[in-house]
Amino acid sequence: DAGVTQSPTHLIKTRGQHVTLRCSPISGHKSVSWYQQVLGQGPQFIFQYYEKEERGRGNFPDRFSARQFPNYSSELNVNALLLGDSALYLCASSFPAYNEQFFGPGTRLTVL
Amino acid sequence: DQQVKQNSPSLSVQEGRISILNCDYTNSMFDYFLWYKKYPAEGPTFLISISSIKDKNEDGRFTVFLNKSAKHLSLHIVPSQPGDSAVYFCAASADTGNQFYFGTGTSLTVIP
Repeated sequence: DAGVTQSPTHLIKTRGQHVTLRCSPISGHKSVSWYQQVLGQGPQFIFQYYEKEERGRGNFPDRFSARQFPNYSSELNVNALLLGDSALYLCASSFPAYNEQFFGPGTRLTVL
Repeated sequence: DQQVKQNSPSLSVQEGRISILNCDYTNSMFDYFLWYKKYPAEGPTFLISISSIKDKNEDGRFTVFLNKSAKHLSLHIVPSQPGDSAVYFCAASADTGNQFYFGTGTSLTVIP
């Protein structure tokens, strides 16, 4: 069974640019959550989507946005990148929304 | 404000002995708790969970204990194996939301 997949694996951007990260959940999972993990910290919740609707939002600025598609895959968009956005971005899927979340390998974003 | 805390950044244990990883939380609304294991360059892997209606949950070598009055949970691994060497995160969620709050992690090293 395929687990949660994320693309790209690594990404290098410069300040002010925009980035789109993608996530495909485990087959049958309808909920996708996004987390940001800065080095030395635990994952910080950014968004949760369930059945294509936003169900939760963490304490992140409006530069961060996300959406979920009819096939339950998801995109995380970050505008006007800052150096502090450099982190590992993790996607997790679950079914139903409240159960254990299964994580993908993450996308390592570096902002120069 | 860190609502989930893992105060021990690292722990070393001899192979075959018990590993005890601790986690404290501040939000009394948390009612669902999980432990994840994370290897470098991989996403967190779900280990074991416990809901607030229980005070203990076992799965093979892994046991999680929950002390609601102390707002404390612990993960016991016995016997510890070298393959258990990884970073362990605890996470918590409240019923009203699907947002999981993670601790900062404890790096476990099991010495052969």
